[in-house]
Amino acid sequence: SQKIEQNSEALNIQEGKTATLTCNYTNYSPAYLQWYRQDPGRGPVFLLLIRENEKEKRKERLKVTFDTTLKQSLFHITASQPADSATYLCALESNTGNQFYFGTGTSLTVIP
Amino acid sequence: GAGVSQSPSNKVTEKGKDVELRCDPISGHTALYWYRQSLGQGLEFLIYFQGNSAPDKSGLPSDRFSAERTGGSVSTLTIQRTQQEDSAVYLCASSLTWTAGGTIYFGEGSWLTVV
Repeated sequence: SQKIEQNSEALNIQEGKTATLTCNYTNYSPAYLQWYRQDPGRGPVFLLLIRENEKEKRKERLKVTFDTTLKQSLFHITASQPADSATYLCALESNTGNQFYFGTGTSLTVIP
Repeated sequence: GAGVSQSPSNKVTEKGKDVELRCDPISGHTALYWYRQSLGQGLEFLIYFQGNSAPDKSGLPSDRFSAERTGGSVSTLTIQRTQQEDSAVYLCASSLTWTAGGTIYFGEGSWLTVV
């Protein structure tokens, strides 16, 4: 079965620095990869989607890369702010849709 | 509605009781998903609906779990004879269609505690 691994440890960074989160997967060939943000006690919120034929996607201070050879996605938050503190989840989706496989998430804390 | 609505937001039940969790998706969304998230864990897929039908029920943890959707809108997840290991947040999500590459929108979840 598919396996999705995200940074196992919580990530603490200083405000203004770039946060980099990883998502590695095995036993799967996703057509799409998505990143979500989840705040404590809330449901996940969609951030970005990247397709298998795309190498990089940007949205404001966010950047996602997708390497299907390495089976890895990197999620970057530049000029990080304390408000970026949250758990970030990656999710894989096949061409057939219908089911999203989520990683366990990485907890990010941006220190003022 | 403006977003995915779930009820109850919190439920404490005694072991062995049945519980029903309700999800009201975004109006017009044909695809609906149920996930479970245990403390500190990732999202575990339970079931999805295309309209009123559920093509894949393999994610349901046991036969104590069932789900239905009526009128292409509201869905109910039922857990019979609850066990303590059922304690988790049950998240519902919807998307406009079930084709790949779409965005799914989550509700705030129903927090279930079995005592």
